[in-house]
Amino acid sequence: DTGVSQDPRHKITKRGQNVTFRCDPISEHNRLYWYRQTLGQGPEFLTYFQNEAQLEKSRLLSDRFSAERPKGSFSTLEIQRTEQGDSAMYLCASSLDVAKNIQYFGAGTRLSVL
Amino acid sequence: AQTVTQSQPEMSVQEAETVTLSCTYDTSESDYYLFWYKQPPSRQMILVIRQEAYKQQNATENRFSVNFQKAAKSFSLKISDSQLGDAAMYFCAYRSAWDQGGKLIFGQGTELSVKP
Repeated sequence: DTGVSQDPRHKITKRGQNVTFRCDPISEHNRLYWYRQTLGQGPEFLTYFQNEAQLEKSRLLSDRFSAERPKGSFSTLEIQRTEQGDSAMYLCASSLDVAKNIQYFGAGTRLSVL
Repeated sequence: AQTVTQSQPEMSVQEAETVTLSCTYDTSESDYYLFWYKQPPSRQMILVIRQEAYKQQNATENRFSVNFQKAAKSFSLKISDSQLGDAAMYFCAYRSAWDQGGKLIFGQGTELSVKP
């Protein structure tokens, strides 16, 4: 088991472009979370999936953001028409659907919007 | 809504010494979980220690221990015999036991440096 992996690690884009990030969770984990972390702040919850179902979305997730988890395996987070305010670290975490619900994090994708 | 506050943006400790990182939280719930996560530079966040609110006994994991004061809504992390590898950003996090989604609410973080 290699843990949670995220790709790419870094993404630089121009304002107005679309970007897509990928997260591969730990293989037996059925829950997958996306968080956003801006400089000097703690991560903030964006959305989560149980298997392929997206069950909760934060108000931070504007209509320019969309997340999918086809077949309950990997997940993608797409940002359309990027803005400079979207510059942040995007973290993915996964967990088993049990009481302890310990979340294991990936190393994140750092997005810079120029 | 629940909030988590870490009032120490930066802390420093001498190698082999002990350091305590502070965390307070605000909630009206009685059942919840508290966590400390460590985020080394450019590496993934890892769980350091976990506390269940209904357990009075403070959690310990090797050199890491917590001081959980439920009435005061305080959850501090003590690192004993500090090592150079302990240098990282530390985040305190809260999870409601009633939230089926299990999302974590994080504090702002404390950057710990360890001096040789």
